[in-house]
Amino acid sequence: DGGITQSPKYLFRKEGQNVTLSCEQNLNHDAMYWYRQDPGQGLRLIYYSQIVNDFQKGDIAEGYSVSREKKESFPLTVTSAQKNPTAFYLCASSIRAGSSGNTIYFGEGSWLTVV
Amino acid sequence: AQTVTQSQPEMSVQEAETVTLSCTYDTSESDYYLFWYKQPPSRQMILVIRQEAYKQQNATENRFSVNFQKAAKSFSLKISDSQLGDAAMYFCAYSESGGGADGLTFGKGTHLIIQP
Repeated sequence: DGGITQSPKYLFRKEGQNVTLSCEQNLNHDAMYWYRQDPGQGLRLIYYSQIVNDFQKGDIAEGYSVSREKKESFPLTVTSAQKNPTAFYLCASSIRAGSSGNTIYFGEGSWLTVV
Repeated sequence: AQTVTQSQPEMSVQEAETVTLSCTYDTSESDYYLFWYKQPPSRQMILVIRQEAYKQQNATENRFSVNFQKAAKSFSLKISDSQLGDAAMYFCAYSESGGGADGLTFGKGTHLIIQP
């Protein structure tokens, strides 16, 4: 089945650790995104990528890093510089960047908790 | 910067009744897209309906329809014949280019409760 796969579903991080959330899509979409959702809040954009080997900061990029070495993969690293990382993280993709009418599709999300 | 406002943190409706969720947005652009997403307890975001700003006709998808008022910058979602499976968080979202370049700007959501 085509779709967006995020792993792991649940992740626990110790203080000072870096952790990486995986996002893979087999939809042949050009654009990929990472969003963060806090309780009672909407989604906020962390990073997005319109093409392989290129990505842009979103509204809340501090303490996060990404890579886009392959079209189908867009991993997110939550670094120790992110002081409040406990949240629900959603990966998304859309067929083409910069083209009108594109709809964004989401993965099932990953829960990150600091212990 | 664009903003999206959902003024109803929670709404409740009887099963089989009709409910309307409100959304307003702020933009200086003339060409943009608006979306309603549903987030059930599983947390996955599911697209419900989308509207292109240049289209005057309101979008409809089965029991879901929108009332798009461009001059008022209003984009409400009407759910007819509410079903128990409609219970979820509903998010209104805005994009300048259909989500392709910069992603979506979301409101804070409305929690919809369906009373049996």
